Parts: sequence; C-alpha cells; structure tokens
Amino acid sequence: DSGVTQTPKHLITATGQRVTLRCSPRSGDLSVYWYQQSLDQGLQFLIQYYNGEERAKGNILERFSAQQFPDLHSELNLSSLELGDSALYFCASSAPASGGPSGANVLTFGAGSRLTVL
Amino acid sequence: GQNIDQPTEMTATEGAIVQINCTYQTSGFNGLFWYQQHAGEAPTFLSYNVLDGLEEKGRFSSFLSRSKGYSYLLLKELQMKDSASYLCAPRGVRFGAGTRLTVKP
Repeated sequence: DSGVTQTPKHLITATGQRVTLRCSPRSGDLSVYWYQQSLDQGLQFLIQYYNGEERAKGNILERFSAQQFPDLHSELNLSSLELGDSALYFCASSAPASGGPSGANVLTFGAGSRLTVL
Repeated sequence: GQNIDQPTEMTATEGAIVQINCTYQTSGFNGLFWYQQHAGEAPTFLSYNVLDGLEEKGRFSSFLSRSKGYSYLLLKELQMKDSASYLCAPRGVRFGAGTRLTVKP
C-alpha cells in the first residue's frame, strides 16, 4: 500500500457520460498530480494541485477538470466521455527529494482507476 | 517546454547488464528521476540525480550529465522481475514515453 488511495478501482460507463475519480494523498503530502495512461502509452501529465491551488497544467482536455479540497483530497471530473478516454488514471502525491533543491519531488502513485468507456 | 527521448523497447538476458538511456531538453532543471512500472501497475520511484555523476543503489545505478542533457539507468544482474517499463522524468513531473525492458531466461 503506497498510502495514496484512489477510488473507484474500475469504472465502466457509456459515451457522453460524466464520471468523477477520487484521490486521497499520503498523510502530510500537500501536492496531488493526475496522469492519464492509455493502453501501451506513456504517462500523460494532466494537472497538479498544491494545498488547494492549481500549480501546473499539462495535457488536460477542456472536458476534464479537477480540484483539491481543504482536506487535500482531489477529484478529477471527466465529462462528455469519448471512447478514447478509456485509460488508467493515476493520482500521485509528493514529498521533497532528499538532497534536492526546492521543487524536486518524489512522486508516490496510487493504484489507479481504470476507466472503460463503451 | 520539455523533450524527453528514450528507446521504446529493449531486450536483455537474465544475469546480464543493461543500460537504458534518456536524453532531454528542459528548462528549470532541478533533478532527474527514474521510475519503474510493471504492466498494469503504478510507477514506483527508483532513483534521483541532481548532480552530475553516478548514483548507485544496489543492482540499480543512475548517471547524469546536465551539460549534455543525458542520463542513463544501469541495471545489473538482471532478474526476470526486472521486466517492466522504465520512465525518465527530468524535473520529475512530466515523463518520457518509457522504455519497455524484457528480460529473457
């Protein structure tokens, strides 16, 4: 158990629908990151939050949105789902890398949420 | 922006040594991270280099040359369980496409 909790583990839904994925970071970690990994593809960075504020944005579609709540858990909302949105969605939280400069963070990933859009 | 280049696939024999290269172009460099990801599982942290040179950690070592925008991950005494994807991440947030390593008996 990495300490990062993601729910649900599996989700099957239909095109056009909306889903919410949830992530609880490790205790003490203030940053949360979301990634998308399609079959046999690399990890695509979507978005990062730090202590409730958006910190960095990657390849996140306009149909997707996220937020981090005061208790530091985060939710990723995916709407108007398309077949191509089927993927593993990972959440990670971070702690500073030992001996590294400010901003160098080791990511700890959750087990992922597997989304299938039919 | 950030460009990260890794070989897509590599194959090696159990007990051998393999070197996985990563070249990158990035702004605001604050260290380079390597992660391991078994198929269908979450990535896990392997190593971090912030200064030039070699960092050794058991069977795994990682090298960094900041001036050349180059890093490699060296895996020694390969085991079947090392079959996985290895992800390079300059700055630690955005990842390369990963190198899928297959270890054969």
